[in-house]
Amino acid sequence: SYVLTQPPSVSVAPGQTARITCGGNNIGSKSVHWYQQKPGQAPVLVVYDDSDRPSGIPERFSGSNSGNTATLTISRVEAGDEADYYCQVWDSSSDSPVVFGGGTKLTVL
Amino acid sequence: QVQLQESGPGLVKPSQTLSLTCTVSGGSISSGGYYWSWIRQHPGKGLEWIGYIYYSGSTYYNPSLKSRVTISVDTSKNQFSLKLSSVTAADTAVYYCASLSGSYYYLDYWGQGTLVTVSS
Repeated sequence: SYVLTQPPSVSVAPGQTARITCGGNNIGSKSVHWYQQKPGQAPVLVVYDDSDRPSGIPERFSGSNSGNTATLTISRVEAGDEADYYCQVWDSSSDSPVVFGGGTKLTVL
Repeated sequence: QVQLQESGPGLVKPSQTLSLTCTVSGGSISSGGYYWSWIRQHPGKGLEWIGYIYYSGSTYYNPSLKSRVTISVDTSKNQFSLKLSSVTAADTAVYYCASLSGSYYYLDYWGQGTLVTVSS
């Protein structure tokens, strides 16, 4: 089955840029989606299809995907961005096609 | 705006069957284009996909749970349901229902989640 690897944690100061990576074999050939989950809440889609934003998601959230790494970039980080972030892909060749990364805890210092 | 809401018992005894229902509002399950999904999250852990159902009734399950999972749909009530049999403490988790877009296969709408505890 397809495996997505995320760093367990990322820390960043307010106003700086946070980059959260998601590694997978030739992930650049897949469409990557990102979710934000705050404590006690359901996940929220923040980026889909590598770099598109759903309505209502600030432009500070952006994504890229190439080679073996996809990246979620959060610019001008705010305290309210502190959350867990998960990447997800659809792997049509897998017997478990909806694949999540292990999640990254973003801490705003 | 599509909204999803899970309902069902919050406590299930070991060896029994966990049953949850997801009610969809603001859109029709029968309109197509979405795979109606269940995801769970063990306490303090990451997200685990359980399976999905299309409005036609076709299903796809996570192989690790396939022998115990049944997902069904009731289009007349705009609901879909999850049954997980022979539960153990390892099935204690927050269970989410969500809509999986059939275009790029992202989960765009989620229920609030419901904690199900397996305990005697």
